[in-house]
Amino acid sequence: TQLLEQSPQFLSIQEGENLTVYCNSSSVFSSLQWYRQEPGEGPVLLVTVVTGGEVKKLKRLTFQFGDARKDSSLHITAAQPGDTGLYLCAGTAVVGNEKLTFGTGTRLTIIP
Amino acid sequence: GAVVSQHPSRVICKSGTSVKIECRSLDFQATTMFWYRQFPKQSLMLMATSNEGSKATYEQGVEKDKFLINHASLTLSTLTVTSAHPEDSSFYICSARAGAGTDTQYFGPGTRLTVL
Repeated sequence: TQLLEQSPQFLSIQEGENLTVYCNSSSVFSSLQWYRQEPGEGPVLLVTVVTGGEVKKLKRLTFQFGDARKDSSLHITAAQPGDTGLYLCAGTAVVGNEKLTFGTGTRLTIIP
Repeated sequence: GAVVSQHPSRVICKSGTSVKIECRSLDFQATTMFWYRQFPKQSLMLMATSNEGSKATYEQGVEKDKFLINHASLTLSTLTVTSAHPEDSSFYICSARAGAGTDTQYFGPGTRLTVL
């Protein structure tokens, strides 16, 4: 069973600060995705990373896939209240294997 | 991006009744759909994988007779919670995958089930 542990579990910071969320596993993943979920809604895909060491940027969000494809990080620069939400990483173990294993989640609150 | 809908968005039912939740891919054909369950303040847990025209594959610990899944077409999968009880109250989310060789799943908005 592949487990994805996210840290921190909860994070509350002031608007304008930077933050990093981590997603770690002892298993190798063929790809890893990051989602953001608002209360009462389904997760929305932010990014997919597939290559070890890959870095992707989405405006103020920077995603990195570990060299060994066992971990990933999400860095947010100058956080805004609109960034508030539940951030979930999710990975697939084998290419073409359909199942997504979700991380434990990080609940982020940005205080205006 | 691809759109997945769920219906209903909320349902409240009495204990012992059955509830059907629909998941539709609106602008693409989904060879595979997935059903997840999410308890408050927790992450998503995969319940089953639904392939069009074949029986669903259930995750360990998920009762297939309790959670009936039908994937009758490339755009529709249904989850029926049979003889629902209060412990079945949860947020149920479906996702759809466009085709083999892609890992991307598009998620529906979820269905909040409350069993009284």
